[in-house]
Amino acid sequence: QVTLKESGPVVVKPTETLTLTCTVSGFSLNSPRMGVTWIRQPPGKALEWLAHIFPNDEKYYSTSLKSRLALSTDTSESQVVLTMTNMDPVDTATYYCARMSAVMFFRFDYWGQGALVTVSP
Amino acid sequence: QSALTQPPSVSGSPGQSVTISCTGSTNDVGNYNRVSWYQQSPGTAPKLMIYDVTYRPSGVSHRFSGSKSGNTASLTISGLQAEDEADYYCGLYTTSSIWVFGGGTKLTVL
Repeated sequence: QVTLKESGPVVVKPTETLTLTCTVSGFSLNSPRMGVTWIRQPPGKALEWLAHIFPNDEKYYSTSLKSRLALSTDTSESQVVLTMTNMDPVDTATYYCARMSAVMFFRFDYWGQGALVTVSP
Repeated sequence: QSALTQPPSVSGSPGQSVTISCTGSTNDVGNYNRVSWYQQSPGTAPKLMIYDVTYRPSGVSHRFSGSKSGNTASLTISGLQAEDEADYYCGLYTTSSIWVFGGGTKLTVL
């Protein structure tokens, strides 16, 4: 059974750095052609893809947020960590991690429940 | 990054069929089948409904189907049910190995 779960602060202050952790189970972060993706959704707005990482440590970032994002993996803990610097109130959103399967086709086949992060002084 | 355009809202009565469109460009949707569709009910995480334009994951109702014509991918829901009321998003995996989502479509079952 594949599961993903996001964890991190509920509130951060403007200019602070956000660190979110995605803990996965039911698959290995070393699984070929399986990546972990971060996606966010501001309240009442659309999904926005942020970044993803693959087992070979290949990383891709949103063009508009690239300078503020970083991904890392702790394979032993089955965790993927997303850091986002210089947080602003417009970054208030629910942050999801999802498994991206690239086996034959590309899709997000499993999602975490999401973590609401509020940026407020 | 590419932009995917979806209608903000669609509606239909129980039993009817509705189609949600997702329009890109020749460079992405037009030439590749890397489009997937996600259903999001209020307060829940998105759920994969269709991938690679036409493929349906196991467990997803056969009432959901996908297609593509030119630069537009479409999600069709037949035999509309109250439980289908949700937001629907199309997503595209681009040739630059990044993803783009559409703006979402709110489906109302009348």
